[in-house]
Amino acid sequence: SYELTQPPSVSVSPGQTARITCSGDALPKQYAYWYQQKPGQAPVLVIYKDSERPSGIPERFSGSSSGTTVTLTISGVQAEDEADYYCQSADSSGTVVFGGGTKLTVL
Amino acid sequence: QVQLQESGPGLVKPSGTLSLTCAVSGGSISSSNWWSWVRQPPGKGLEWIGEIYHSGSTNYNPSLKSRVTISVDKSKNQFSLKLSSVTAADTAVYYCARAIIAAAGPFDYWGQGTLVTVSS
Repeated sequence: SYELTQPPSVSVSPGQTARITCSGDALPKQYAYWYQQKPGQAPVLVIYKDSERPSGIPERFSGSSSGTTVTLTISGVQAEDEADYYCQSADSSGTVVFGGGTKLTVL
Repeated sequence: QVQLQESGPGLVKPSGTLSLTCAVSGGSISSSNWWSWVRQPPGKGLEWIGEIYHSGSTNYNPSLKSRVTISVDKSKNQFSLKLSSVTAADTAVYYCARAIIAAAGPFDYWGQGTLVTVSS
């Protein structure tokens, strides 16, 4: 079955830039989406169509794509950004797939 | 502002059937959106279960397809999930969510989630 691979954890100090990657063979052909999930809460969409930002999401969140890897970048990380981040896409048949998640720790 | 609210039993016996409903408010389930179920075992990641369109068309995760049924009730503006032959591995927080743009997402609105425990 199709898989999206994320690093289990990323750590950064406040004010630095965090980059979270997501790799998958179908990513050149399928859009990727990113969600932020804080403990006890439902996920929140922070990036769609690889690099678009929904209204209400801070400008420090951005997305990019290169080949089979998409990247979520958080510039000027704040303490409130500490959360789990999940990428999501679809396989060639349209089945929705989530990455395993990345825990962002703000030191 | 669209809101989704899951409801259903929080405890299901092994080999039984898990049944949940997602009530949609602030919008119509007959809009041009797909409606999904996503689950998250305690301490683990997200897993997509399946989706439905208001016409009744469905798509399921192949890994769960044999046990899953998703249905829609347009008169009540809600959709439902049934998962049969449950085991402890089905213990999870179950979310309903709305897909915008396409059937494969992204999910812009989510319910708060409901914990379902499979135990005797």
